[in-house]
Amino acid sequence: GNSVTQMEGPVTLSEEAFLTINCTYTATGYPSLFWYVQYPGEGLQLLLKATKADDKGSNKGFEATYRKETTSFHLEKGSVQVSDSAVYFCALSDRSGANNLFFGTGTRLTVIP
Amino acid sequence: GAGVSQSPSNKVTEKGKDVELRCDPISGHTALYWYRQSLGQGLEFLIYFQGNSAPDKSGLPSDRFSAERTGGSVSTLTIQRTQQEDSAVYLCASSLGQGNSGNTIYFGEGSWLTVV
Repeated sequence: GNSVTQMEGPVTLSEEAFLTINCTYTATGYPSLFWYVQYPGEGLQLLLKATKADDKGSNKGFEATYRKETTSFHLEKGSVQVSDSAVYFCALSDRSGANNLFFGTGTRLTVIP
Repeated sequence: GAGVSQSPSNKVTEKGKDVELRCDPISGHTALYWYRQSLGQGLEFLIYFQGNSAPDKSGLPSDRFSAERTGGSVSTLTIQRTQQEDSAVYLCASSLGQGNSGNTIYFGEGSWLTVV
């Protein structure tokens, strides 16, 4: 079946620190992979996505590379800001037939000045 | 509207009562999704509507849950005889087409349901 496992939080970092949030997946087909972010008091927003192996999604300084050999899609940012404090969700959609996204449990990031 | 709109934003109900949650998708979006986010859990898929096709109800946890989408736009999620384990944030999302085709899925801010 399809599932996503992501690093449990919470994660607390100082401003300008390097961020990695691990995400691995299990899929029956050839999934597309996503990172969504939920800022305090707001709805989920797409942060970045990758639709095939070796693709790199990037947005707002965040990056994630689709690694088929390790079934991973780790989220990274070189220098976090206080405004990056949010909950981050890794997700996949299985293009072989499913009509929905499968989400991880979310990782709460808090960046302190 | 500019985004996916959900109402109510917060609902407290007594165990055994029925509740209705409403979703207004982004104008022109043919696909509509309902998810549930329980405390400490990931998002759980509930139901998916695509145009005039029969909905994918495979995620509905029990027959107390049902959803309608009238006129291909507004959707209502109904929970009958609510139980305490139904307490969660119910998220609605929409997209231009099937999300797994690469179309971005846009989420509303959710309806927080508390069953007491």
